[in-house]
Amino acid sequence: AQSVSQHNHHVILSEAASLELGCNYSYGGTVNLFWYVQYPGQHLQLLLKYFSGDPLVKGIKGFEAEFIKSKFSFNLRKPSVQWSDTAEYFCAVNVYSSNTGKLIFGQGTTLQVKP
Amino acid sequence: KAGVTQTPRYLIKTRGQQVTLSCSPISGHRSVSWYQQTPGQGLQFLFEYFSETQRNKGNFPGRFSGRQFSNSRSEMNVSTLELGDSALYLCASSLVTSGRIDTQYFGPGTRLTVL
Repeated sequence: AQSVSQHNHHVILSEAASLELGCNYSYGGTVNLFWYVQYPGQHLQLLLKYFSGDPLVKGIKGFEAEFIKSKFSFNLRKPSVQWSDTAEYFCAVNVYSSNTGKLIFGQGTTLQVKP
Repeated sequence: KAGVTQTPRYLIKTRGQQVTLSCSPISGHRSVSWYQQTPGQGLQFLFEYFSETQRNKGNFPGRFSGRQFSNSRSEMNVSTLELGDSALYLCASSLVTSGRIDTQYFGPGTRLTVL
């Protein structure tokens, strides 16, 4: 069965520190990849996505992610975090061949940014 | 455009009862997916509907069911509620372009508490 693994469950950073959140998936075929964010008290919002093309994708609020097919990874990065980035971050995978709406989510990473 | 809306936002039920949750997708979105979010299990896929047909179903018991109407609105039903059904139930909608599903956008969720 396909699965998604997020290595860091809880990350604490100071403002202006750099961020990298790991995400690996287990599926050998074509996938669509997503990072979603859930701010406290708010609903899941799309940060960025990768369907095809340039493996380095840019999203909202200065976030970017790199798809490395050989490593089955889609790590999220931000060069300088802000207190407002405090949230829970989810990596998700959609298996292209299924052509259905099933997203497989990682367990999530809680990011706490200290002012 | 209005986002995905879910009603009700909060529900309290007792064991053995049944419950119906409603989801209105973004205008023009014909695919609706449902997810269960709990602290222990994270985000888990329940099912997806497209053109009033269930296309995929997650690993949940038959007590969980859903349907989609011709206007793409969707409902999910949980019968014979158990304490473990307490969760945030999320609905997501997406466009289907040239037969392929696109990005899913999430609603605020319905918080179900089973006593």
